[in-house]
Amino acid sequence: DADVTQTPRNRITKTGKRIMLECSQTKGHDRMYWYRQDPGLGLRLIYYSFDVKDINKGEISDGYSVSRQAQAKFSLSLESAIPNQTALYFCATSRSDSAYEQYFGPGTRLTVT
Amino acid sequence: GQQLNQSPQSMFIQEGEDVSMNCTSSSIFNTWLWYKQDPGEGPVLLIALYKAGELTSNGRLTAQFGITRKDSFLNISASIPSDVGIYFCAGRTNFGNEKLTFGTGTRLTIIP
Repeated sequence: DADVTQTPRNRITKTGKRIMLECSQTKGHDRMYWYRQDPGLGLRLIYYSFDVKDINKGEISDGYSVSRQAQAKFSLSLESAIPNQTALYFCATSRSDSAYEQYFGPGTRLTVT
Repeated sequence: GQQLNQSPQSMFIQEGEDVSMNCTSSSIFNTWLWYKQDPGEGPVLLIALYKAGELTSNGRLTAQFGITRKDSFLNISASIPSDVGIYFCAGRTNFGNEKLTFGTGTRLTIIP
């Protein structure tokens, strides 16, 4: 079984709709991250969380919000989706004592029409 | 924001060839990591480097932390079909800074 799972794997939605992407992990890691991947731009950090009560903005947090419901669950929301949020979204986890070694989920491909 | 420059952007090689790619930054990095991404999957950590000059291997893969702290290199020896994918470097600039900066990737294709 995968250690980091993301749902849904693919989603098509319309402009203005609210959408939530979910991430669960069984690795027992404290830290969780949301990244966005666009062609030619690599991975960019949206939000990260060190534990349930500690959530921090990344470099591109505008238009996104997150919720850390439990140590194992970290969800990303787009309150009002827009077309330039079409991208591949990845959740990642890491241990607090080796935060730089991050483990990624399989990704969610989101298309906003 | 900060960016890492990876080169080449893409490579077309024949099976059995050795591969070299690198990643450079205008800033000093204290940690370098190399990831591989297969189509339809998330990146998978290959190698982590923590000291300038460090040379670390993982099977046929060897990575080095440049002595200037502004670059890193990844070599793949005797490439095989399953090496196809996109290779990303990632780095961390400061102790206490938990965020990684990712490169734009090198796409490796093996020509039959």
